[in-house]
Amino acid sequence: GNSVTQMEGPVTLSEEAFLTINCTYTATGYPSLFWYVQYPGEGLQLLLKATKADDKGSNKGFEATYRKETTSFHLEKGSVQVSDSAVYFCALAGGFKTIFGAGTRLFVKA
Amino acid sequence: EAQVTQNPRYLITVTGKKLTVTCSQNMNHEYMSWYRQDPGLGLRQIYYSMNVEVTDKGDVPEGYKVSRKEKRNFPLILESPSPNQTSLYFCASSFRREGDEQYFGPGTRLTVT
Repeated sequence: GNSVTQMEGPVTLSEEAFLTINCTYTATGYPSLFWYVQYPGEGLQLLLKATKADDKGSNKGFEATYRKETTSFHLEKGSVQVSDSAVYFCALAGGFKTIFGAGTRLFVKA
Repeated sequence: EAQVTQNPRYLITVTGKKLTVTCSQNMNHEYMSWYRQDPGLGLRQIYYSMNVEVTDKGDVPEGYKVSRKEKRNFPLILESPSPNQTSLYFCASSFRREGDEQYFGPGTRLTVT
């Protein structure tokens, strides 16, 4: 079946550091891929998405590229801010179901 | 304001006492879903609904029931809650079932003693 694996956290960075959160997947067919973000005490909200191979999703300085050859969808940001501290979830949607990774907690220090 | 609402936000109950968590969306979405979030496991899908009167099991449906009698509402029912159902629950909706983002409610933290 489909699955998503993302790097374990927590990840602690200083402000303005470069961020990478790895996400790999296994899937049949051609799923859509997502990154969601969860701020403390809130529900998840969409950060970015990509619906086909080689698509790049981007939002608020975050980027991720749908790589079918490496089955990956790594999240990157060139310069993180304290306000980016949150939990980040990689997700795969195929058919009627969405599969989420375990989540990666990011702490950004001033 | 477009939103998904859940009630209650917090609930402490005892083993075996039936409870319902309500979920409502005002975006005319066809697809709705329930998830539970547990540390280290991410979100796992409990049930989903493609439209009114159409529901199906997700990955962890045991101990839960759902119904979809109206497009906007998708309640989650625990007929006989047990301590292993202590978790954070999220309802979500989307216009179509795949390729579209899901909109999440604020969550319901359930404790079963």
